[in-house]
Amino acid sequence: QKEVEQNSGPLSVPEGAIASLNCTYSDRGSQSFFWYRQYSGKSPELIMSIYSNGDKEDGRFTAQLNKASQYVSLLIRDSQPSDSATYLCAVMYYGNNRLAFGKGNQVVVIP
Amino acid sequence: EAQVTQNPRYLITVTGKKLTVTCSQNMNHEYMSWYRQDPGLGLRQIYYSMNVEVTDKGDVPEGYKVSRKEKRNFPLILESPSPNQTSLYFCASSQDRDSREAFFGQGTRLTVV
Repeated sequence: QKEVEQNSGPLSVPEGAIASLNCTYSDRGSQSFFWYRQYSGKSPELIMSIYSNGDKEDGRFTAQLNKASQYVSLLIRDSQPSDSATYLCAVMYYGNNRLAFGKGNQVVVIP
Repeated sequence: EAQVTQNPRYLITVTGKKLTVTCSQNMNHEYMSWYRQDPGLGLRQIYYSMNVEVTDKGDVPEGYKVSRKEKRNFPLILESPSPNQTSLYFCASSQDRDSREAFFGQGTRLTVV
């Protein structure tokens, strides 16, 4: 049974700090990894994608992938109140075409 | 403007009354899918389509049907809605086979009473 786990509860960070989110997945055949941001009542929007081991940086966001340990993480540097949202980890698996999502982590940036 | 359009945005219906939620994308994407989002359960895939006339079940397909007669459209059909199908529904499309970066519609909030 494929699973994408985001176990952390709501994360509160002061403005300007680093927010760190983690995601683990169960299927070693996973191919593509994504982080989506979802504001309350809105649709998810893609903020990062990563396909190979290592780090990928895009502005204040850094995604980290470790396939051996089966985790993917997201760092948000210099957190802003506008970063307050739920962050969804998503994984695409080899052998099928299904995109599986974690349940999400809520981030609250405190001014 | 590139977008995924769902209609309606809000719908209240009664148990057993057939309904269709439409989804259309203007990006010529091959891959389209439907998700439902429920508190504590996250986003769960209902059905997906790799291309015209090619559809397959996702994680929670029971009680739903889909069709893909045209590349741009991917309607979700509830033949006999039940209260446990009350949820927030999202349609999504992706540009290519490898990336699967999904672009989401605005969502449809469905209430079945």
